[in-house]
Amino acid sequence: DAKTTQPNSMESNEEEPVHLPCNHSTISGTDYIHWYRQLPSQGPEYVIHGLTSNVNNRMASLAIAEDRKSSTLILHRATLRDAAVYYCAPGTGGGNKLTFGTGTQLKVEL
Amino acid sequence: KAGVTQTPRYLIKTRGQQVTLSCSPISGHRSVSWYQQTPGQGLQFLFEYFSETQRNKGNFPGRFSGRQFSNSRSEMNVSTLELGDSALYLCASTPGDSGNYGYTFGSGTRLTVV
Repeated sequence: DAKTTQPNSMESNEEEPVHLPCNHSTISGTDYIHWYRQLPSQGPEYVIHGLTSNVNNRMASLAIAEDRKSSTLILHRATLRDAAVYYCAPGTGGGNKLTFGTGTQLKVEL
Repeated sequence: KAGVTQTPRYLIKTRGQQVTLSCSPISGHRSVSWYQQTPGQGLQFLFEYFSETQRNKGNFPGRFSGRQFSNSRSEMNVSTLELGDSALYLCASTPGDSGNYGYTFGSGTRLTVV
């Protein structure tokens, strides 16, 4: 399984960009990289996923390193509602199996 | 459209008992995965079903089992419950089988074993 590491916590000011890093050095060439976020007492919420090239959606951007051993989730303008635990979750061995990292607690301050 | 529905939301069981958790995926989603979340181990993959077939299984003992029905609804069962099985059990569904789809998670079932 892919070994996934993330910082335990990060802080940001509101309206500023946030870059959340993730290392997944053992990912295979065909596994997608997913990101989810979770609020207390809720299930994880899908944020974004990609394979090789950078991806954008209305919530965030995903920058994937050329060797795919790391990725960065980018929140362009953090808001108080973005405070959550963010999980990097590479796929494993094809199909639908995710290996979740330990998550990064994002704190957003005014 | 309706999200992933998990029942029950909360459950208290005694050691040695068994428990069955239910998951109704988003309509049209054929893949259902189960995860266990604990403060110590984080989110860990249990198993995944696609079109009624178990395709992947995580590193959990045989006491943990599951199945998927023809309407894609899924159940997981834990027999001979142990205190360490106390956790949030999450179900997630996705349309296909390639990993190229985002997962939609339910709110989970909080299982407490006493």
